[in-house]
Amino acid sequence: GENVEQHPSTLSVQEGDSAVIKCTYSDSASNYFPWYKQELGKRPQLIIDIRSNVGEKKDQRIAVTLNKTAKHFSLHITETQPEDSAVYFCAASMSNFNKFYFGSGTKLNVKP
Amino acid sequence: NAGVMQNPRHLVRRRGQEARLRCSPMKGHSHVYWYRQLPEEGLKFMVYLQKENIIDESGMPKERFSAEFPKEGPSILRIQQVVRGDSAAYFCASSPVDRDGYGYTFGSGTRLTVV
Repeated sequence: GENVEQHPSTLSVQEGDSAVIKCTYSDSASNYFPWYKQELGKRPQLIIDIRSNVGEKKDQRIAVTLNKTAKHFSLHITETQPEDSAVYFCAASMSNFNKFYFGSGTKLNVKP
Repeated sequence: NAGVMQNPRHLVRRRGQEARLRCSPMKGHSHVYWYRQLPEEGLKFMVYLQKENIIDESGMPKERFSAEFPKEGPSILRIQQVVRGDSAAYFCASSPVDRDGYGYTFGSGTRLTVV
């Protein structure tokens, strides 16, 4: 099955700095990669996603890049704010299947 | 349009008791997924169901765990004879017939504590 690895496990940045979280996947058949944000005690919420026919996608301060050849994808958050502090999870799936494989999470701490 | 509803939000069970977790999908959704999140870990797929049908249960432990999604009513995740290692957050998600490769929305989860 698919194996998704995520780094780093914790990330601390100063408010206003950028944060980058990286994930790798093992199954070249995976073609859909969502990112979820989970605040303490709450449900994971989809924040951005990318498909394998696209190399980069942006949504305001958030962007995701995908390198199919290397089988890795990254989340970029610019101009970080304290409310960005949360655990972020990457995931991978094949669009014709309904199962997601999640990374182990990155705890982001944005210091004011 | 209410989102995915899970109840209870918190559930405490003694070792050996049964736990029943409920998930009502979004209106119009006929597919339900259950994931388990152990403390400080990511989400692990457990089972994928359609109405009256289990499609993929490859993530379900072989014993004590079962799931159903009846024609009427919510999907139920049942854990028999709970042990401390079952303590986790259990999240449910739903999707329409054709997910078309999009991410799905999770419910608020049930946090099970086994004492």
